[in-house]
Amino acid sequence: GQNIDQPTEMTATEGAIVQINCTYQTSGFNGLFWYQQHAGEAPTFLSYNVLDGLEEKGRFSSFLSRSKGYSYLLLKELQMKDSASYLCAVIFGNEKLTFGTGTRLTIIP
Amino acid sequence: NAGVTQTPKFRVLKTGQSMTLLCAQDMNHEYMYWYRQDPGMGLRLIHYSVGEGTTAKGEVPDGYNVSRLKKQNFLLGLESAAPSQTSVYFCASSYSMVAGGLSPDTQYFGPGTRLTVL
Repeated sequence: GQNIDQPTEMTATEGAIVQINCTYQTSGFNGLFWYQQHAGEAPTFLSYNVLDGLEEKGRFSSFLSRSKGYSYLLLKELQMKDSASYLCAVIFGNEKLTFGTGTRLTIIP
Repeated sequence: NAGVTQTPKFRVLKTGQSMTLLCAQDMNHEYMYWYRQDPGMGLRLIHYSVGEGTTAKGEVPDGYNVSRLKKQNFLLGLESAAPSQTSVYFCASSYSMVAGGLSPDTQYFGPGTRLTVL
């Protein structure tokens, strides 16, 4: 299979910055998504990367290094509502999305 | 525009019972998907459909059947429920296949169905 690894849980302080990492097998890589999922709710799209570099979207940014099989999601000026799970999902070849297990982020005051 | 809806939201079944989960989308999407989400396992694809009248197996299809008789609906059936099928089930849809490249098509998810099999 195509392993996707991300930390299980993270904690950060309101107003701070947090970086959530995702690593994956590079063979067949064809794009990477980040989704946000609040407890008891559906995943919602945050970002997509297929080329190396940083994609910025307001308080959220996503970075990709294809040669290293590495991505991160950067959240700035953290708010309490950012407490959620963050799912890394990769497209391998011309197939469907493969999801990581998700990182549960808790924001503390 | 309701997006993707799922019914029911919650269900408790006894082992051996059958049930059907309904997914509906009003975005005229061709592609529809059924996932299950379990703690520590991430989202796993059960079955998917690339258009009305078509279905295909995903990563974990055993014990489930699907039908796509109308473009807007995708049904997931459990013929004989087992405790291992206790999970949260998500339906998703997209306009085209999420095939990567410079312009992929993101999936839109329904709110989920929480199923418990006793």
